Amino acid sequence: GAGVSQSPSNKVTEKGKDVELRCDPISGHTALYWYRQSLGQGLEFLIYFQGNSAPDKSGLPSDRFSAERTGGSVSTLTIQRTQQEDSAVYLCASSFSPNREQYFGPGTRLTVT
Amino acid sequence: GDSVTQMEGPVTLSEEAFLTINCTYTATGYPSLFWYVQYPGEGLQLLLKATKADDKGSNKGFEATYRKETTSFHLEKGSVQVSDSAVYFCALRTYSGGGADGLTFGKGTHLIIQP
Repeated sequence: GAGVSQSPSNKVTEKGKDVELRCDPISGHTALYWYRQSLGQGLEFLIYFQGNSAPDKSGLPSDRFSAERTGGSVSTLTIQRTQQEDSAVYLCASSFSPNREQYFGPGTRLTVT
Repeated sequence: GDSVTQMEGPVTLSEEAFLTINCTYTATGYPSLFWYVQYPGEGLQLLLKATKADDKGSNKGFEATYRKETTSFHLEKGSVQVSDSAVYFCALRTYSGGGADGLTFGKGTHLIIQP
């Protein structure tokens, strides 16, 4: 069956621009997670959704970062006024329920110039 | 807060050698422990897990035992193959009142197996 998909696979943007990253979880998975993978920080947890609500936003690095999930399915991570330190691979994962295995997507590589 | 420490490598071994990748953790609660693997050009995949003390997770010849007394979850394999070349991440997960928290990862260990 289809796994977690993310789009775009690569995104190059100029400093100060806004970007939107999309995640399509596995059908039927109620939990969705966003992570960031960068050379300096490794893999960092950003935010977690259960259904459409986000009980844990503790990992969002600044108020320029926001995320939403609609219909209990697709999620969008938005970064406003991008900075060079936002350059990273943004990973999405989903699981059938919060205590089950997380399946990861291929990621979106964001480069801020 | 929670944290995971693992050797960063790169670790270079010959085929059929014995592998150990050390992983230790600190956690406020009683975590579940995981090893994830990222093969070149591919996404993160769960390799194995353990949810309570003394549990042993195993998969594809890899093993790791949840040691609460030493807060460790070392990854081992008796005889590595070239196809095991990848980046390995140790991770933990705790559970809050709102449900499961996100995974906390180590920095990753780049493993290179030479024929």
